[in-house]
Amino acid sequence: AQKVTQAQTEISVVEKEDVTLDCVYETRDTTYYLFWYKQPPSGELVFLIRRNSFDEQNEISGRYSWNFQKSTSSFNFTITASQVVDSAVYFCALGAGFQKLVFGTGTRLLVSP
Amino acid sequence: NAGVTQTPKFQVLKTGQSMTLQCAQDMNHEYMSWYRQDPGMGLRLIHYSVGAGITDQGEVPNGYNVSRSTTEDFPLRLLSAAPSQTSVYFCASRPQGGLNQPQHFGDGTRLSIL
Repeated sequence: AQKVTQAQTEISVVEKEDVTLDCVYETRDTTYYLFWYKQPPSGELVFLIRRNSFDEQNEISGRYSWNFQKSTSSFNFTITASQVVDSAVYFCALGAGFQKLVFGTGTRLLVSP
Repeated sequence: NAGVTQTPKFQVLKTGQSMTLQCAQDMNHEYMSWYRQDPGMGLRLIHYSVGAGITDQGEVPNGYNVSRSTTEDFPLRLLSAAPSQTSVYFCASRPQGGLNQPQHFGDGTRLSIL
């Protein structure tokens, strides 16, 4: 069975702090995909990144970076120099098996000025 | 480019009423799905469709029906609403070809059952 665990329910930081959101996944499939989505207070789901199981290269996009480690089944997300606009709920998701996406329970990030 | 459009955005129902949540996409995506989002539980898959005329159950299908008569539309039906179905519902679509394609989500429908 596929499972995604986001152990951090809520994180509060002050603007300009760095913050890491943890994601641990479980799957027996050798081919799978990992995703991060952002849900701002307005409620929509915004796609951030996709990673396949054969690509363990870390990725950086502006202030965002992702650390994929198959050895620990983790796909962590770091925001550098956080801003108030980063306040949102962040979901990690696992796609294994042809069609289904399994989401974690989300981490609420609060960035205060 | 509208993407994935969900209607209505908000709805209040009484227990036992029926309702259809509409979902339409204009990207010619073969795969469409419905999720519900509940506090502390993330998003859970209700039903999905890999193409017109084909639907299948997800993780939490009970109490919901779907059909896919066209590529563009994937309505979700509640035949007899129950308070446990109070949730935020998201429709999503993506091209065929597996999960290497990211899903596009609609803006959600907030449904309250009294």
